[in-house]
Amino acid sequence: QVQLVQSGGEVKKTGASMKVSCEASGYTFTAYGLSWVRQAPGQGLEWMGWISPYTGNANYAQNLQDRVTMTTDTSTNTAYMELRSLRSDDTAVYYCARGQYFFDYWGQGTLVTVSS
Amino acid sequence: DIQMTQSPSSLSASVGDKVTITCRASQSISTFLNWYQQKPGKAPKVLIYAASSLQTGVPSRFSGSGSGTDFTLTISSLQPEDFATYYCQQSYSIPYGFGQGTKVDIK
Repeated sequence: QVQLVQSGGEVKKTGASMKVSCEASGYTFTAYGLSWVRQAPGQGLEWMGWISPYTGNANYAQNLQDRVTMTTDTSTNTAYMELRSLRSDDTAVYYCARGQYFFDYWGQGTLVTVSS
Repeated sequence: DIQMTQSPSSLSASVGDKVTITCRASQSISTFLNWYQQKPGKAPKVLIYAASSLQTGVPSRFSGSGSGTDFTLTISSLQPEDFATYYCQQSYSIPYGFGQGTKVDIK
């Protein structure tokens, strides 16, 4: 069965960096895009970007372009999302999800709390 | 960027009611529109993709329609497990943004 298992929650200081992992199983990793979506506490869903595990090419939301990097490791079927220069409004649950256009399987979410 | 606007933001309904949620795009997105359901503390779940295609395993009481700028998610007979927040999402152009959500709760 398809599974996306994310790394555990983190607490970060303002200005630090975070890196969330997402290990995929149950399907051919390179056959589907991998997207990242975040949700601030009590708020809606925000699309962050997506990466093709096949080509390694990524597209990011413009408001995150300068601070985010998405990568994949096809030897371990794992995707990573790094966000730098963290601010308090980056506090959110971060989800990875399978697919480029719509997302049919989701990770369990990773809560990242940013505080000074 | 394409803006997605859902209405209403919340609604109260009873089990058995027919529920309709609307999503409007700021420009035409053809049928590149998807619908998700999210329950508290859980990841979203896709219900409908490409405006009207029912995702495998989703009950047939859920349906989607529309094209261009106006879209609708309909629940034909609301069940207890359907009380949740629903989001539309456009996949026509990057950024593939979401609507602000519609919370469906018990009347």
